[in-house]
Amino acid sequence: QVQLVQSGAEVKKPGASVKVSCKASGYIFTSYYMHWVRQAPGQGPEWMGIIYPIGGGTNYTQKFQGRVTMTRDTSTSTVYMELSSLRAEDTAVYYCAGGLRSMDVWGQGTTVTVSS
Amino acid sequence: DIQLTQSPSLLSASVGDRVTLTCRASQGIGSYLAWYQQKPGKAPKLLIYTASTLQSGVPSRFSGSGSGTEFTLTVSSLQPEDFATYYCQQLNSYPLTFGGGTKVEIK
Repeated sequence: QVQLVQSGAEVKKPGASVKVSCKASGYIFTSYYMHWVRQAPGQGPEWMGIIYPIGGGTNYTQKFQGRVTMTRDTSTSTVYMELSSLRAEDTAVYYCAGGLRSMDVWGQGTTVTVSS
Repeated sequence: DIQLTQSPSLLSASVGDRVTLTCRASQGIGSYLAWYQQKPGKAPKLLIYTASTLQSGVPSRFSGSGSGTEFTLTVSSLQPEDFATYYCQQLNSYPLTFGGGTKVEIK
């Protein structure tokens, strides 16, 4: 079945970077755009950006411009999201989500905790 | 950025009730709206896309309608598993945005 499996939880210090992976299976990797969404504790989802599997083009929301990098590896059907210069406010669950007209399938989420 | 306002923020209802959730966009988004259901500790789950198309596997008691700036999600007869938080999302233009959510709780 269509599945997105994300990497495990991370604990980082302020100023560090984190790289989260999302491995797709059960469908043709290039069929879905891949989004990254984060959700801070007790808050609603927040869209971070999108990566297009064909060509690897990206579109990031302005809030994360300069701090986020989304990449993909078509040979392993994996997308990555790297967030740098972490601060306490970046503590959240980070999700990858794939789809064309919406976010049809979601990863299980990766908890990133930023704490000194 | 397009703002999405959901109402009510909290809805108390009973099993079997018909409930309607509203999502208003700050500008027209055509039919580029999706609805998601989220339960605590879980990822959001797609219910409806392009405003009114039911995602495969989603029960037919869920329905969506609207276009432009006003949208609704209706649950015709609430079931125990439907108590959750519901989010709308616009996919008309970047940045994609979500509404603030409606929590449906047991009355």
